[in-house]
Amino acid sequence: GAVVSQHPSRVICKSGTSVKIECRSLDFQATTMFWYRQFPKQSLMLMATSNEGSKATYEQGVEKDKFLINHASLTLSTLTVTSAHPEDSSFYICSARVGGLSPLHFGNGTRLTVT
Amino acid sequence: LAKTTQPISMDSYEGQEVNITCSHNNIATNDYITWYQQFPSQGPRFIIQGYKTKVTNEVASLFIPADRKSSTLSLPRVSLSDTAVYYCLVARMDSSYKLIFGSGTRLLVRP
Repeated sequence: GAVVSQHPSRVICKSGTSVKIECRSLDFQATTMFWYRQFPKQSLMLMATSNEGSKATYEQGVEKDKFLINHASLTLSTLTVTSAHPEDSSFYICSARVGGLSPLHFGNGTRLTVT
Repeated sequence: LAKTTQPISMDSYEGQEVNITCSHNNIATNDYITWYQQFPSQGPRFIIQGYKTKVTNEVASLFIPADRKSSTLSLPRVSLSDTAVYYCLVARMDSSYKLIFGSGTRLLVRP
């Protein structure tokens, strides 16, 4: 149980375009989802907390207008990288949890390459 | 959130037991300790979680002393496929829950 699905697994886009990444909790409802990014050989960095039905909470230094997060249902959160630039190339990972004492479960990540 | 400190890297050989210790001196009463494993180009995978004493599941054991200022992840009889980065995290199990990742421990298992 507690499967988090992320799509697409990899995407290549041109500089200036926008890219949407989907994160779904397949067998549970998640009122809260989290978005991370990870650069090569580095640890995961929390970007934002996505709350169903309300605005996301962004970590310090993360541009909310560039990384749009929508959590429209209890099983789906999306991250849109707007006007992508090469420096946005990274590994983006979403996660979700049931709540209570349950741990956080992660998707398999999306490799974004901006050319 | 309590900061965690763990070794940057460890080496082991197949069949050995590996113990990775993490310190979290500022752990709070409501905090739980969680360990994750990450392979390259994959999302982290949950290994084990505990609050105090000892927790065991099918893949690992977690030892937490009474003062909870540290914890030790024990991997019995590692194999080559256990080569990965292991993260120790502390999180408060309430509405403020979030996981902040440290550097992790890069475990290399040699034949």
